[in-house]
Amino acid sequence: DAGVIQSPRHEVTEMGQEVTLRCKPISGHDYLFWYRQTMMRGLELLIYFNNNVPIDDSGMPEDRFSAKMPNASFSTLKIQPSEPRDSAVYFCASSLGGRAYDEQFFGPGTRLTVL
Amino acid sequence: DQQVKQNSPSLSVQEGRISILNCDYTNSMFDYFLWYKKYPAEGPTFLISISSIKDKNEDGRFTVFLNKSAKHLSLHIVPSQPGDSAVYFCAASGNAGNMLTFGGGTRLMVKP
Repeated sequence: DAGVIQSPRHEVTEMGQEVTLRCKPISGHDYLFWYRQTMMRGLELLIYFNNNVPIDDSGMPEDRFSAKMPNASFSTLKIQPSEPRDSAVYFCASSLGGRAYDEQFFGPGTRLTVL
Repeated sequence: DQQVKQNSPSLSVQEGRISILNCDYTNSMFDYFLWYKKYPAEGPTFLISISSIKDKNEDGRFTVFLNKSAKHLSLHIVPSQPGDSAVYFCAASGNAGNMLTFGGGTRLMVKP
């Protein structure tokens, strides 16, 4: 398996533009997570899905952020409009099950820069 | 308020010596703890975990210690190798679920 795939790897955009980050989880994994890594806040969970259904989005910072999972092999995280403070590395992860011992496998991340 | 804290942003250790990375948590509902390792330009990868029913878990050169009364855990790497140079994240979950709360990370540098 190729692991969790994220695209693009780097994104540079201007303030006010819409940004869409993409993720393909590992086949057969029922859980998908979106994280954001910043210097100030470390690695924080934004939202996670179980069987394509959003379960907890309490980490989503604002209404400007939205996430979807239209099918088991694809998820998007959208920021509209983007702001400079959204600059961070965004990670997608997937796991087979929903227990603490079900290892989360992370993608390589998307480095977002909002000018 | 951060529920998982790694107070040392960086640590430098000589090759062959012991590396000790520390993590503190505040939420008494946390019952499962994990360490992830992250190399530059890659996603974090799972390293080792411990359940709250244990106070120690060992896997090769890596040992995690849990002190529930102090709400503190540590990761020991013995002996440290240059390939261990990475950012290490401590994470915790509660109620046996897999929503993870991560610390801010500690950058470990192992010098040859």
